[in-house]
Amino acid sequence: QLQLQESGPGLVKPSETLSLTCNVSGDSVSSDHYYWGWIRQPPGKGLEWIGSVYYTGSTYYNPSLKSRATMSVDTSKSQISLSLKSLTAADTAVYYCANRDCPGASCYPHFQHWGRGTLVTVSS
Amino acid sequence: QTVVTQEPSLSVSPGGTVVFTCGLTSGSVSTRHYPSWYQQTPGQSPRTLIYRTDVRSSGVPERFSGSILGNKAALTITGAQADDESAYFCMLYLGTGSVVFGGGTKLTVL
Repeated sequence: QLQLQESGPGLVKPSETLSLTCNVSGDSVSSDHYYWGWIRQPPGKGLEWIGSVYYTGSTYYNPSLKSRATMSVDTSKSQISLSLKSLTAADTAVYYCANRDCPGASCYPHFQHWGRGTLVTVSS
Repeated sequence: QTVVTQEPSLSVSPGGTVVFTCGLTSGSVSTRHYPSWYQQTPGQSPRTLIYRTDVRSSGVPERFSGSILGNKAALTITGAQADDESAYFCMLYLGTGSVVFGGGTKLTVL
C-alpha cells in the first residue's frame, strides 16, 4: 500500500519561499506507475490543485499560480518536493501530496492515495 | 477561467438518497473529463470515492455511485448513513495535464 507523508516548516514569512517534501513508501517514487501531485486547502475552504510531476521530471502546473511553483522528484530519497516562492497570506493552507495511477501508457487524472497533509501558515 | 460548480450544501435523511452534481461554467461535463469524487471529514485528508466517472475506489461501499446526468457529473448516495456526513469534492480533467476541483458540497444527514 502506497503511503505518503508530507513535511514542512509550519510557519513562513511573507515574500519568502516555501519548501515542502513528501516521503513516499510502499513503492518506488521512480516507478512509471505513478504521477505525483500537490494539492492545497486553505482553512475552511476547498481543494486547489497545484501541480503534478512524473519521475522523469515532466511537470504540469496550475496556471493560476503564475509560475511560482516548482516540483521535482528525488529518487535517492524517495521524496517529492514542492517549492513555492513569493508567499502571501493567501498561500496559508494545508498542503497535501497524492499520487495518480498510471496503469499503462497513460495516467488517470484522479488522485488515488493522499498524505495526511501539512499546515503552512504565512505570517510575519 | 474554467470554474467547476457544486451545490454548497445538501441534506438527506438517514436511509434516503442524495445526488451531488458537478458542472462546468463553460460547457457540459462528459466522460472525457474523467470526473472523480472525494469525501473529506473535518481534520482528515480527502478519501477517493469515485474515479473515471463511475468506478468505485477500493473499499468504497456500493451505496456510492457515479454517473453523468444531463450535462453534469453526479455522485449518488443511496441509503445514506450518519457517517456519510462530510464534505464532497468533485474534480475534472481539463486536458494537458490540468485538473480543477469544485468548491465542494457539505452534506448534512438529519
